[in-house]
Amino acid sequence: AQRVTQPEKLLSVFKGAPVELKCNYSYSGSPELFWYVQYSRQRLQLLLRHISRESIKGFTADLNKGETSFHLKKPFAQEEDSAMYYCALSYYSGTYKYIFGTGTRLKVLA
Amino acid sequence: DTGVSQDPRHKITKRGQNVTFRCDPISEHNRLYWYRQTLGQGPEFLTYFQNEAQLEKSRLLSDRFSAERPKGSFSTLEIQRTEQGDSAMYLCASSRQGANEKLFFGSGTQLSVL
Repeated sequence: AQRVTQPEKLLSVFKGAPVELKCNYSYSGSPELFWYVQYSRQRLQLLLRHISRESIKGFTADLNKGETSFHLKKPFAQEEDSAMYYCALSYYSGTYKYIFGTGTRLKVLA
Repeated sequence: DTGVSQDPRHKITKRGQNVTFRCDPISEHNRLYWYRQTLGQGPEFLTYFQNEAQLEKSRLLSDRFSAERPKGSFSTLEIQRTEQGDSAMYLCASSRQGANEKLFFGSGTQLSVL
C-alpha cells in the first residue's frame, strides 16, 4: 500500500531559525503531493501543493523523486507558524486515493 | 457559501447505540471524503464519493459503518452498534474533481462512546 511518512511528531525551533518538516512517500508513479496545516482551533486547510511550485507564508516544498521526499521548509520561523502540519499524497490505483501522514507539530519558541 | 459544514460538532453516545453524522460540502464540489482522526494521528481515509457514487471504501470501514450521498449533495455517515474504539474526530472534506485537487475540510464531528 502507498504510504506517507512524517518521522517527527514534534519539532521545536526558536523564532528566526530555519525550519524543515520532513515527508517521505511511497508511490512508484507520478505523485501529487500537498502540505496541509491546522492552526489551533481551526480546520485543516491546504498550505501548498507541489505542482504549483509556490511559496505560501514563506514556506516552500520541493519534490525529490529520487529520494521520494517532499520536505517543507521555511528560512525564518515565526511564532504564528506554530501548528500541526500534514503531508498528503493523492494518486490513482484503480480509483482515486488521497492519504495523509501522521503529522508533525511545529512549535516556534520566542 | 461558508465552506464545508458538519453536524453535530460533538456527539456523546453509549456503547451499542447508533449515531449518524451529516456533511454538507461546498455546493459545486462533486467529490466528498470522510476521514477519521484519533489523537496523535493524521486523518485516516474512510470512504469517498464522486457525485452520488461511493467509489472507494477503506478496510477500516467495518460493516457497522455506512455512508450515503443521495443526489450527490450532502452525505451522511452512520455507525451502528458503536464501540469505544469508534471514539474519534470524523472529518468530512470536499473537492472539485481534477488534477492536484485541493480538499476543503469541515470542522469535524467529535464522537465519544462511553
